[in-house]
Amino acid sequence: AQTVTQSQPEMSVQEAETVTLSCTYDTSENNYYLFWYKQPPSRQMILVIRQEAYKQQNATENRFSVNFQKAAKSFSLKISDSQLGDTAMYFCAFMKTKAAGNKLTFGGGTRVLVKP
Amino acid sequence: DGGITQSPKYLFRKEGQNVTLSCEQNLNHDAMYWYRQDPGQGLRLIYYSQIVNDFQKGDIAEGYSVSREKKESFPLTVTSAQKNPTAFYLCASILTGGGGGNQPQHFGDGTRLSIL
Repeated sequence: AQTVTQSQPEMSVQEAETVTLSCTYDTSENNYYLFWYKQPPSRQMILVIRQEAYKQQNATENRFSVNFQKAAKSFSLKISDSQLGDTAMYFCAFMKTKAAGNKLTFGGGTRVLVKP
Repeated sequence: DGGITQSPKYLFRKEGQNVTLSCEQNLNHDAMYWYRQDPGQGLRLIYYSQIVNDFQKGDIAEGYSVSREKKESFPLTVTSAQKNPTAFYLCASILTGGGGGNQPQHFGDGTRLSIL
């Protein structure tokens, strides 16, 4: 079974600064997908960024970027130029392939507080 | 606009009562999922369905039941056997046709279930 670990329960950052969230996972699969989801106080789950394991290039989405280290099974998220609207819970998630049901396994989450 | 609709937003259950949470999607997605989220924690998979009339247990299926009679609908019943049902429940779906593995799961807005 896959496990996803987010070792930082809570992080705070000043507005316009950069924060990095860590995520490690354990799997014996070679093909899989990784995601970061944001959950603001409204409790909606919003996709932030995704990475295919077969791609070496790190994904980037505007102010959000990842550092994907497949051998180390690490998938960190960097938020640059932090904004007040980035305050939320952030979840790292591992997805198996279609043959295994496209099931998502989530980490426990990191609460990010952006301070003005 | 296409999306996933969960209802009701809030639900209260009496002792010994079964309650059903609704999840409807108009995204023409193939697979659907139910997750449970406890306060301050990540999401855990209850049940999922990849095609109509077929579904599989997730990690915490005990005390829950589902059906998938239509592609658009995946209702979750919380039975009286679930002794600690108070949680936030999220429904998700994904397009799996044509590989689809790198597609993210889309989430509804959730249902908060409480015990009376």
